[in-house]
Amino acid sequence: EVHLVESGGGLVQPGRSLRLSCAVSGFNFEEYGMHWVRQAPGKGLEWVSSITWNSGSVAYAASVKGRFTISRDNAKNSLYLQMSSLRAEDTALYYCAKLSESRVTKSWFDPWGQGTLVTVSS
Amino acid sequence: EIVLTQSPGTLSLSPGEGATLFCRASQSVSGYLAWYQQKPGQTPRLLIYGASSRATGIPDRFSGSGSGTDFTLSISRLEPEDSAVYYCQHYASSPTWTFGQGTKVEIK
Repeated sequence: EVHLVESGGGLVQPGRSLRLSCAVSGFNFEEYGMHWVRQAPGKGLEWVSSITWNSGSVAYAASVKGRFTISRDNAKNSLYLQMSSLRAEDTALYYCAKLSESRVTKSWFDPWGQGTLVTVSS
Repeated sequence: EIVLTQSPGTLSLSPGEGATLFCRASQSVSGYLAWYQQKPGQTPRLLIYGASSRATGIPDRFSGSGSGTDFTLSISRLEPEDSAVYYCQHYASSPTWTFGQGTKVEIK
């Protein structure tokens, strides 16, 4: 069974940094693209960032570009999101999600993790 | 960036009725569209991919249709457990993905 478990969230002051992790199991991690999606309290889903299966290509939403960095360690079955210069509007539940099909970029998300909450406040 | 617009914002229906949710893309996404269900306090769950293919374990009461810019998610014989927010998402223009703003379905 596929499992995605996020960690690293918490309360952080504006301008500071935080690193999120997503530990995966139950599938061959090195063959799948991965994504981060966030959801602000009471709001909808917002795609944040993506990375291909071999780290050959990464992408970011305009709202986080230049501040967030996505990476992965296939040997450790882990996905990361380094967040810097955090703002109040980055407050959200951050989900990691797996692309459903291997070694492609045009695929849907399935499954999703349970999320880790990031709160940016002084 | 492709923008997805969902309508209506909220649907209030009774058990046994049918629901029709719409998702319109600002430009063609071909058939690269998925639908997700998110119940309160839960993680999003894949319902439909490729505009019309049901995900594993999804009841046949859920069906998707459309292509290009206009898509529909239909839910027949509504049950109380169908109360949720439903999101469409395109994956046509990787590496960026966008979601619609969601449609809330309330079962009275």
